[in-house]
Amino acid sequence: DAKTTQPPSMDCAEGRAANLPCNHSTISGNEYVYWYRQIHSQGPQYIIHGLKNNETNEMASLIITEDRKSSTLILPHATLRDTAVYYCIVRVASNDYKLSFGAGTTVTVRA
Amino acid sequence: GAGVSQSPSNKVTEKGKDVELRCDPISGHTALYWYRQSLGQGLEFLIYFQGNSAPDKSGLPSDRFSAERTGGSVSTLTIQRTQQEDSAVYLCASSAGRREKLFFGSGTQLSVL
Repeated sequence: DAKTTQPPSMDCAEGRAANLPCNHSTISGNEYVYWYRQIHSQGPQYIIHGLKNNETNEMASLIITEDRKSSTLILPHATLRDTAVYYCIVRVASNDYKLSFGAGTTVTVRA
Repeated sequence: GAGVSQSPSNKVTEKGKDVELRCDPISGHTALYWYRQSLGQGLEFLIYFQGNSAPDKSGLPSDRFSAERTGGSVSTLTIQRTQQEDSAVYLCASSAGRREKLFFGSGTQLSVL
């Protein structure tokens, strides 16, 4: 099972882009990269996922390197409401319904 | 409802008592998950239901933990003879299928005194 490595915390200025890195150097060819976030006292919320190509939706963009060993989640214009723990997850291929949540990155958006 | 609903939102119990936690998934979602989150920790997978298939119970920490899903909808997580180390937030999630994104409820905060 591929594991992910994320920085434990980062700060971001309100209105600026937040770039959240994730390393997944042992990812398999058919494993997707998922991002979820968890705002304090709430359940995790799906943000975006991708396999090879970059993806964008109304919440964020996901940039995956060509070798797929790392990715970056981009919040284009961070707001105070984006303060949360962000989890980068690689979907386990053999049991692909399970999501293994690590410690994530605690992102604090400051005014 | 529009989202995953869990009840109660908070539960305080005495050590040794049994507790039941309820989850109402999003209507039509065939997959249902239970996770546990201890204070300051990541999420720990407990159990997974998919349609009429046998559930994956591989994450249940002990035989004091059990879960049911009746009629392919509502699920109940039961913890017997609660211990203080069972104190955590218990999160339920549902998805439209085994490879689809998960929608989480707000969780049940369980405190065992």
